Amino acid sequence: GQNIDQPTEMTATEGAIVQINCTYQTSGFNGLFWYQQHAGEAPTFLSYNVLDGLEEKGRFSSFLSRSKGYSYLLLKELQMKDSASYLCAVRDSNYQLIWGAGTKLIIKP
Amino acid sequence: IAGITQAPTSQILAAGRRMTLRCTQDMRHNAMYWYRQDLGLGLRLIHYSNTAGTTGKGEVPDGYSVSRANTDDFPLTLASAVPSQTSVYFCASSDSSAGGSTQYFGPGTRLTVL
Repeated sequence: GQNIDQPTEMTATEGAIVQINCTYQTSGFNGLFWYQQHAGEAPTFLSYNVLDGLEEKGRFSSFLSRSKGYSYLLLKELQMKDSASYLCAVRDSNYQLIWGAGTKLIIKP
Repeated sequence: IAGITQAPTSQILAAGRRMTLRCTQDMRHNAMYWYRQDLGLGLRLIHYSNTAGTTGKGEVPDGYSVSRANTDDFPLTLASAVPSQTSVYFCASSDSSAGGSTQYFGPGTRLTVL
């Protein structure tokens, strides 16, 4: 079966750095996405990785290792507005997105 | 209209009733999707359409039907609602279904079936 694993919840301090991990087992791989979802709102796109390595976009970076079935999202200089759920999704061999349950990130002042 | 709109925003429905959730996008995207999101579970694909005139079944299609008569609209119908269909429903669209094409989501419909 297909599986995406993420921690259920993480807590971090404003101004700090946090790393959210995602491991996956899917039938085929055609890219990995990270989305942010604030409570009661729709998911919004953060990043896309298809090759191994680090993609940096401002305060957010995403890393991929296809051989290990592993990705992480790195958030720097945390702000209170970063309190949200972070969803990892993998595009499988049928080009459908398989979603993790999401990691709820709580930022404390 | 900018992006994707969904209607209604929320709905309480009696079991056994028929309900259509509406989704419209103005980005001229070819592909559209319906997901449900339940607490503790990831988004689960109900149905999808790679282009107008075609539809396909996702992971959890039972009890739901869709149509794609044109590029912009992708309604989801519950023929006879059951309590297990209580969920938040998101419609999404993307330029294509391949590669790095990003999915953009509507604001969601919160459905309660009693």
